[in-house]
Amino acid sequence: DTEVTQTPKHLVMGMTNKKSLKCEQHMGHRAMYWYKQKAKKPPELMFVYSYEKLSINESVPSRFSPECPNSSLLNLHLHALQPEDSALYLCASSHPLDTQYFGPGTRLTVL
Amino acid sequence: GQQVMQIPQYQHVQEGEDFTTYCNSSTTLSNIQWYKQRPGGHPVFLIQLVKSGEVKKQKRLTFQFGEAKKNSSLHITATQTTDVGTYFCAGPGGGSNYKLTFGKGTLLTVNP
Repeated sequence: DTEVTQTPKHLVMGMTNKKSLKCEQHMGHRAMYWYKQKAKKPPELMFVYSYEKLSINESVPSRFSPECPNSSLLNLHLHALQPEDSALYLCASSHPLDTQYFGPGTRLTVL
Repeated sequence: GQQVMQIPQYQHVQEGEDFTTYCNSSTTLSNIQWYKQRPGGHPVFLIQLVKSGEVKKQKRLTFQFGEAKKNSSLHITATQTTDVGTYFCAGPGGGSNYKLTFGKGTLLTVNP
């Protein structure tokens, strides 16, 4: 099973809302990632969790808050987002230092 | 910092024509990975190259890693409409082996 699942597929939220994106993998991967992708651009790394500990935060604004409850799950909590945060949010997982497998993404629109 | 340049940015071909996209890194890479992203989709891993001068084939796709491990190419023979999408190369680095530095991608469109 090489599948990374993400929910929801689409999300529309206002600037005062709080929402969460969820990611799950059952490949036994111990590294999990959040990326942001704008149209016609490559994915841009936001956070990396390694063995359930946050190992990289690419200076992401605090309105994005990651959480890794266990080795299979990764959440991204969203609060007070701006319209420019509208993008495709991709989760990925990998064995440490190995190929990353991407989920289908959550297409987020902030009104 | 590490940069991965990818050209061309766009390529439009007639079905049956060949297609090539090129990546060039500012630093030597331990490996290079290729991903394909269909319109409206997500990046899908295609292949990883590790050895200097390595060539790998997947049906009509041929991947090469340069001798100096700083450049790579993806060649598609006799394109089909199913090849449409953006092809990204990516190399580890940027201060951490967990980080992938992506090229900007090449968007391939195929006229049937």
